[in-house]
Amino acid sequence: AQSVTQLGSHVSVSEGALVLLRCNYSSSVPPYLFWYVQYPNQGLQLLLKYTSAATLVKGINGFEAEFKKSETSFHLTKPSAHMSDAAEYFCAVSDASGGSYIPTFGRGTSLIVHP
Amino acid sequence: EAGVVQSPRYKIIEKKQPVAFWCNPISGHNTLYWYRQNLGQGPELLIRYENEEAVDDSQLPKDRFSAERLKGVDSTLKIQPAELGDSAVYLCASSLDAGTSGGDYNEQFFGPGTRLTVL
Repeated sequence: AQSVTQLGSHVSVSEGALVLLRCNYSSSVPPYLFWYVQYPNQGLQLLLKYTSAATLVKGINGFEAEFKKSETSFHLTKPSAHMSDAAEYFCAVSDASGGSYIPTFGRGTSLIVHP
Repeated sequence: EAGVVQSPRYKIIEKKQPVAFWCNPISGHNTLYWYRQNLGQGPELLIRYENEEAVDDSQLPKDRFSAERLKGVDSTLKIQPAELGDSAVYLCASSLDAGTSGGDYNEQFFGPGTRLTVL
């Protein structure tokens, strides 16, 4: 069975500071991993994905994540936070069971950016 | 290109009343998903359609929830009767299919959701 744990329901940073959102996964087979962003009253948007290619994945809006198999982690980072980054971020895992890639989502981390 | 369209955006009903949500996926997307997102949680899959066929409905509470996707395009999710615990955001998503095409993952595109409040 696959699962995701996001450490910290809320993360608060100052504008311009480093953003680090933590995600650990559990999967019985090599997984696909995803980060989604959800702005208020909107659906989820895919930020980036890991699909067994390069372990450092670059996504939209300056975000990137690194797949570390030994740590079963897929933390999301951004060097410098913008006010517009304030949103809910979801980590998700899929083990492609049965040939489909239905993600299992974590509980989400709310990113708060202070001026 | 239009994204996934959902309506209504908000719905407030009293318990035991019926309610229905509608979803129009991105044109050409064969796979359609309904998710439920409880407050402070990530989305959880309720049902997945491949064209007209429901291929994964193991998480759909079948005593009160039903869904259909006539002609393999639009879909409707219904709750009858609604309970207090059904208050949540119901998200619809679509993708080309649920696997990969040409070795690349087929991204799911999400609609804005319907926020249901049951009083």
